[in-house]
Amino acid sequence: QSALTQPASVSGSPGQSITISCTGTSSDIGYYDYVSWYQQHPGKAPKLMIYTVNKRPSGVSDRFSGSKSGNTASLTISGLQAEDEADYYCSSYTSTRTVFGTGTTVIVL
Amino acid sequence: QVQLVESGGGVVQPGRSLRLSCAASGFTFNNFGMHWVRQAPGKGLEWVAVISYDGINKYYADSVKGRFTISRDNSRNTLYLQMNSLRAEDTAVYYCAREGWLSATTFDSWGQGTLVTVSS
Repeated sequence: QSALTQPASVSGSPGQSITISCTGTSSDIGYYDYVSWYQQHPGKAPKLMIYTVNKRPSGVSDRFSGSKSGNTASLTISGLQAEDEADYYCSSYTSTRTVFGTGTTVIVL
Repeated sequence: QVQLVESGGGVVQPGRSLRLSCAASGFTFNNFGMHWVRQAPGKGLEWVAVISYDGINKYYADSVKGRFTISRDNSRNTLYLQMNSLRAEDTAVYYCAREGWLSATTFDSWGQGTLVTVSS
């Protein structure tokens, strides 16, 4: 049950687009289209941003989008805003467990 | 609106036990699978356990298997996590999370978390 691999940090200027990668294996991301992404601000609970690879819950900005290729999933934030500065976690679900990514801190310059 | 409120955290000595609770409201509790997720101080999220909507199916992370037990009381709309033989590495904020309404493969609602500190 190893954690999925994410870059420790990604930075960008306001208005730019950034992409966070999430690498797993052929047993999790590569096998199931059950990738989710969560945003977590300091001291707060995580918030669901993307589910089943590329679906957005109601209320989540369309600046957030998800995709997957092989064993790697990605979260793209377009039109970066100051409030996007937070930690982001990917996850991959199976019927018997969920595994999270190592987490990425997004820094808005 | 959906509300999840954890309680039961605190400071406990290594080897001792603790039971966490998660009170749910704002939705039909017995229709949803529920999870526990933890986060050690300054670290990432770690999935701990899941229980099906009817309490029959339960699965655990290897790191807690045999020590932690997840359960639920649908008549009380409450989720539990019984933690035995606690270790220093179990120190974390423990969140309860609901399986997604649109997809059971995600967590669409989270509690605010309760801090468990294992220390002598």
